Amino acid sequence: EAAVTQSPRSKVAVTGGKVTLSCHQTNNHDYMYWYRQDTGHGLRLIHYSYVADSTEKGDIPDGYKASRPSQENFSLILELASLSQTAVYFCASSDSGGDTGQLYFGEGSKLTVL
Amino acid sequence: QQKVQQSPESLTVSEGAMASLNCTFSDRSSDNFRWYRQHSGKGLEVLVSIFSDGEKEEGSFTAHLNRASLHVFLHIREPQPSDSALYLCAVSAVLSGTYQRFGTGTKLQVVP
Repeated sequence: EAAVTQSPRSKVAVTGGKVTLSCHQTNNHDYMYWYRQDTGHGLRLIHYSYVADSTEKGDIPDGYKASRPSQENFSLILELASLSQTAVYFCASSDSGGDTGQLYFGEGSKLTVL
Repeated sequence: QQKVQQSPESLTVSEGAMASLNCTFSDRSSDNFRWYRQHSGKGLEVLVSIFSDGEKEEGSFTAHLNRASLHVFLHIREPQPSDSALYLCAVSAVLSGTYQRFGTGTKLQVVP
């Protein structure tokens, strides 16, 4: 059974609308991450968290907020979705910091903003 | 900031032939390297991790690290059509506390 699950797996949103992507992990990991994947850019880190109720900015945080209400759950929030945010979003968890730990990924959430 | 680049962008090999993928990085203090595989429409799965110069083998996957030349390679022995996927390398530097940064990937196609 999948240890990192994302929802929704696919979503179509309108420009200016609010989008929330959710992630749930059963790995008992402290660290969780949100990446976006675009053709030609690989994976880029948006936000991460190493403890509940705390989030940190990654490389491309502009236009995104994150929320970590519990160890198991980590959400990515787009308050005002824009066309440029069309991408596939991946959540991951690890048992140690992002510099050393192996990442365990969900299957991705494909977001299309129209 | 760490730059991670992969080559070639795409590669087609025959079933059973060796496949070799290249990853170059810019931060000489990097010491944590992983290769991931992503099948179409799926998440990433780790194939092999390597932390010191030399080789590390995991099944049919061998990572070869040469930090002096800023290269880490992935060799796939006797690939099968099921190995057709996007391969990504991730690099980090523990001492500077930088999280893993990914290359743009190599799309591998294995033909019968």
